[in-house]
Amino acid sequence: GIQVEQSPPDLILQEGANSTLRCNFSDSVNNLQWFHQNPWGQLINLFYIPSGTKQNGRLSATTVATERYSLLYISSSQTTDSGVYFCAVERVDSSYKLIFGSGTRLLVRP
Amino acid sequence: SAVISQKPSRDICQRGTSLTIQCQVDSQVTMMFWYRQQPGQSLTLIATANQGSEATYESGFVIDKFPISRPNLTFSTLTVSNMSPEDSSIYLCSAASTDRSYEAFFGQGTRLTVV
Repeated sequence: GIQVEQSPPDLILQEGANSTLRCNFSDSVNNLQWFHQNPWGQLINLFYIPSGTKQNGRLSATTVATERYSLLYISSSQTTDSGVYFCAVERVDSSYKLIFGSGTRLLVRP
Repeated sequence: SAVISQKPSRDICQRGTSLTIQCQVDSQVTMMFWYRQQPGQSLTLIATANQGSEATYESGFVIDKFPISRPNLTFSTLTVSNMSPEDSSIYLCSAASTDRSYEAFFGQGTRLTVV
């Protein structure tokens, strides 16, 4: 099956720093989404980005489908950015089911 | 975006008992799914909840352990049956729809602890 790998697995930042999270996937996909899981366990949609670049405030994402990777950029990080960031992909033949990467655990220190 | 409500948000249950989790979406959706997140792990798909028919289960999950219902386009339940401590996880409901380009949204999750 398709493999989804995220890096780095853990990241510690000082408030105000910038970071880049990476998601590599092993096969063609219909859909790619980025989520933030807060400390209470809720998954927050960040981006629906099967290809191209999107920006939302301090966050932006780029997916290069032909090279099978996506990047999530966090600028001027805040303590509220702490949590786990997941990349999830939908295989071309999978009827909208998502396969999740193992996540990047981010801690932003004040 | 779709708003998905799950009940209960958390529970502590005795081993051998069953718990039913409810998922309500604020609008009709095409697809509904149930995921499990074991402690410190990523999310794994349990099954697709099909409206008016039996759910479609992923490898490693069976109907006897995780019966699922979906009586209409906005509601689904997942039952965790004959629970053991290994079932302690967060269970999440997800929905996607054609009018939102199948972007998936998630409920807040049900944090289950089995003692």
